[in-house]
Amino acid sequence: QKEVEQDPGPLSVPEGAIVSLNCTYSNSAFQYFMWYRQYSRKGPELLMYTYSSGNKEDGRFTAQVDKSSKYISLFIRDSQPSDSATYLCAFGNAGKSTFGDGTTLTVKP
Amino acid sequence: GAVVSQHPSWVICKSGTSVKIECRSLDFQATTMFWYRQFPKQSLMLMATSNEGSKATYEQGVEKDKFLINHASLTLSTLTVTSAHPEDSSFYICSARETRSNEQFFGPGTRLTVL
Repeated sequence: QKEVEQDPGPLSVPEGAIVSLNCTYSNSAFQYFMWYRQYSRKGPELLMYTYSSGNKEDGRFTAQVDKSSKYISLFIRDSQPSDSATYLCAFGNAGKSTFGDGTTLTVKP
Repeated sequence: GAVVSQHPSWVICKSGTSVKIECRSLDFQATTMFWYRQFPKQSLMLMATSNEGSKATYEQGVEKDKFLINHASLTLSTLTVTSAHPEDSSFYICSARETRSNEQFFGPGTRLTVL
């Protein structure tokens, strides 16, 4: 069993839709939780970073962490064509990060 | 967020030559930097973890003599692909972990093409 499972996608939504991206994990030792966005041929960009269970909001993005159920989600409100990218969940522990395989999102105008 | 730069952004070289890629944290100190490799439409594959002033830790299956890593300062790590071959062609991405917060920031990547 992989330590991290990410909904594979791809996802295609109309502009303005609410997007939900999800990951589950099995390693209870993970201490911090991250979401990255990666555009084609670019390095990943850190979107959200959190230590604790609950919701963290930043503009149109909300990261949700449920440590008891071992899943994290990223919600994108009012999605825009510029949100089209691959989204990676990541989990950190002891100085090392473990990444999901990514979900490719396309937002159609 | 913090900025990590990589140089060069792309490089084309002949088989058998060596290529050096630099990774710099521009506005923060990074005790630890990571080197990843990414093939098209695939996720990041961690190659090695480098700690400032000590030897890098390589992931299983990564040849340490082929991928030389040097982390000489808190803001600079280099990856040298020695005797490059076409199968080494890939997108190489570094990341740096900010010492105080543990947040990990990525560079823009270097596309290596070996002819």
